[in-house]
Amino acid sequence: KNQVEQSPQSLIILEGKNCTLQCNYTVSPFSNLRWYKQDTGRGPVSLTIMTFSENTKSNGRYTATLDADTKQSSLHITASQLSDSASYICVVRSGGSYIPTFGRGTSLIVHP
Amino acid sequence: DAGITQSPRYKITETGRQVTLMCHQTWSHSYMFWYRQDLGHGLRLIYYSAAADITDKGEVPDGYVVSRSKTENFPLTLESATRSQTSVYFCASSEGQRYYNEQFFGPGTRLTVL
Repeated sequence: KNQVEQSPQSLIILEGKNCTLQCNYTVSPFSNLRWYKQDTGRGPVSLTIMTFSENTKSNGRYTATLDADTKQSSLHITASQLSDSASYICVVRSGGSYIPTFGRGTSLIVHP
Repeated sequence: DAGITQSPRYKITETGRQVTLMCHQTWSHSYMFWYRQDLGHGLRLIYYSAAADITDKGEVPDGYVVSRSKTENFPLTLESATRSQTSVYFCASSEGQRYYNEQFFGPGTRLTVL
């Protein structure tokens, strides 16, 4: 069964600090992996997409990494801001499937 | 406004009643999806549609009915609501199913079944 596990479940950091969120998956065959940001009371919004051949991709202060061999991805947030407070969801698509597998998300709270 | 909208945003109903959640997108995307989001679970796919008049089941379709007579609309109906269907429902759309096609999500409908 395809699964996506995220850690930690929740995280509290101070404004200006860095943090790293983890995603492990067992989806096979692998097609791509997306990180979404979901603000409270809103729908998820895509931050970045990683394909098999990509190791690192940045989107502003967000940097995603992918290790397809170990089936792990991480999302690194640099110099956190209060607006980074949200749930971050890892989503993995398998080849030929319309149905992505969603992780449960990591809830990030940034305190001033 | 362009984009994807859902209505109502909040709904309280009683067990056994029929409820319809609406989803409308202005991009003419071919694909549309309905998800539910519950504490302790990731988003779970209920139904999806590849085009008008083409729908298919997702992971958790029991108790739900969908239709898609027009490309821009994808209503979700709970024929006889149960308490276990209390959840936040998200509609999404995408232009295609290539790996680079992003799913764009609506703002969600919070449904409470008493």
